[in-house]
Amino acid sequence: AQSVAQPEDQVNVAEGNPLTVKCTYSVSGNPYLFWYVQYPNRGLQFLLKYITGDNLVKGSYGFEAEFNKSQTSFHLKKPSALVSDSALYFCAVRIMNSGYSTLTFGKGTMLLVSP
Amino acid sequence: SQTIHQWPATLVQPVGSPLSLECTVEGTSNPNLYWYRQAAGRGLQLLFYSVGIGQISSEVPQNLSASRPQDRQFILSSKKLLLSDSGFYLCAWSSPGQWLLAGLYEQYFGPGTRLTVT
Repeated sequence: AQSVAQPEDQVNVAEGNPLTVKCTYSVSGNPYLFWYVQYPNRGLQFLLKYITGDNLVKGSYGFEAEFNKSQTSFHLKKPSALVSDSALYFCAVRIMNSGYSTLTFGKGTMLLVSP
Repeated sequence: SQTIHQWPATLVQPVGSPLSLECTVEGTSNPNLYWYRQAAGRGLQLLFYSVGIGQISSEVPQNLSASRPQDRQFILSSKKLLLSDSGFYLCAWSSPGQWLLAGLYEQYFGPGTRLTVT
């Protein structure tokens, strides 16, 4: 079955420390992977995507993600966390249905950055 | 630049009443359009998506329906709301692409509508 998983409901990190938000996927064919962020009572904002090419993808607000094909993972990272990074983060993957494709989203990981 | 609007921002409706949520996109032509619902448990559920006027795919059979009367307008409707319809409704757009390409492009989300059914 095609799916995406975010194994952590919440990640806590101190400001200035590196952060990692985990994502694993299961798809048929080449994976197309995305990260989004959601602030309270707001829509989702696109951060970055992996289609092909370099395994390290750089995105908005200093975030990057590392694609690992052997581990079927696409973890979101940032070298130095800010309090303002506190938000809900979603990983998404393109899945193929019969005759069409859509994005399916993980359940989300709440990132809390403490001062 | 492209912008996406949703209204209303919040809505409180009694059970059994009708619903109409509107989404419009500016600054792009023939976008793919999407309706999602985000329940309190935070997961995002795709409800409908459209690759053009009159071309709508329903992902979840329920008492909701969607229409695309104009190129950049997407409407979510219900004839009779249920308590379980409460949630945060998000509209999104992406670059044009037919059905097989729809999942290749990043999506851009509107501000959302908070619906409470009482």
